[in-house]
Amino acid sequence: AQKVTQAQTEISVVEKEDVTLDCVYETRDTTYYLFWYKQPPSGELVFLIRRNSFDEQNEISGRYSWNFQKSTSSFNFTITASQVVDSAVYFCALSEGRAAGNKLTFGGGTRVLVKP
Amino acid sequence: DTGVSQNPRHKITKRGQNVTFRCDPISEHNRLYWYRQTLGQGPEFLTYFQNEAQLEKSRLLSDRFSAERPKGSFSTLEIQRTEQGDSAMYLCASSYYRAGYTFGSGTRLTVV
Repeated sequence: AQKVTQAQTEISVVEKEDVTLDCVYETRDTTYYLFWYKQPPSGELVFLIRRNSFDEQNEISGRYSWNFQKSTSSFNFTITASQVVDSAVYFCALSEGRAAGNKLTFGGGTRVLVKP
Repeated sequence: DTGVSQNPRHKITKRGQNVTFRCDPISEHNRLYWYRQTLGQGPEFLTYFQNEAQLEKSRLLSDRFSAERPKGSFSTLEIQRTEQGDSAMYLCASSYYRAGYTFGSGTRLTVV
């Protein structure tokens, strides 16, 4: 069965500091997708990124970057030069199989608090 | 059609009452999912539909819970004889087979 572990429950940083969120996953499938979602206080889950298991290239999008390493089953997320608006709960998730639209298994989330 | 719509946004009910939530997915999405999120936890899968067929149910979905998706369009999730432990955010999401997910804003249920 699949499992996603986010060991950090809460991270507090001062604005402009970098913050890295860890995500470790378990799956028996060779084909799967990994996701990161942001959940601000309003409650809606905001999609940030999707990667499939065959694409280990790291990705950068603005201040966000992701480091996918199959060898360690990790998909870590870094926010560079954090801002107060980055304060939210961040979830890593996994879906097994060839379809990106399969059911998701979420980690427990990491709450990020960015102080001015 | 801008996203997944869930109603109501908030529901407060007395223990023992029945409640029903509605989810309207993105129209071209053939899959519809229900998740439950309790405070401080990640969302947990409850059930999903492909078109009108309910293809999988989690063991979290006790016999007090029932979900339907008539005609493969909107879906309803009903909880009978609510208990305090049912208090949670109920999230709906829709997807097209090979595309990603879109989540709704959720229905927050409080059982008093």
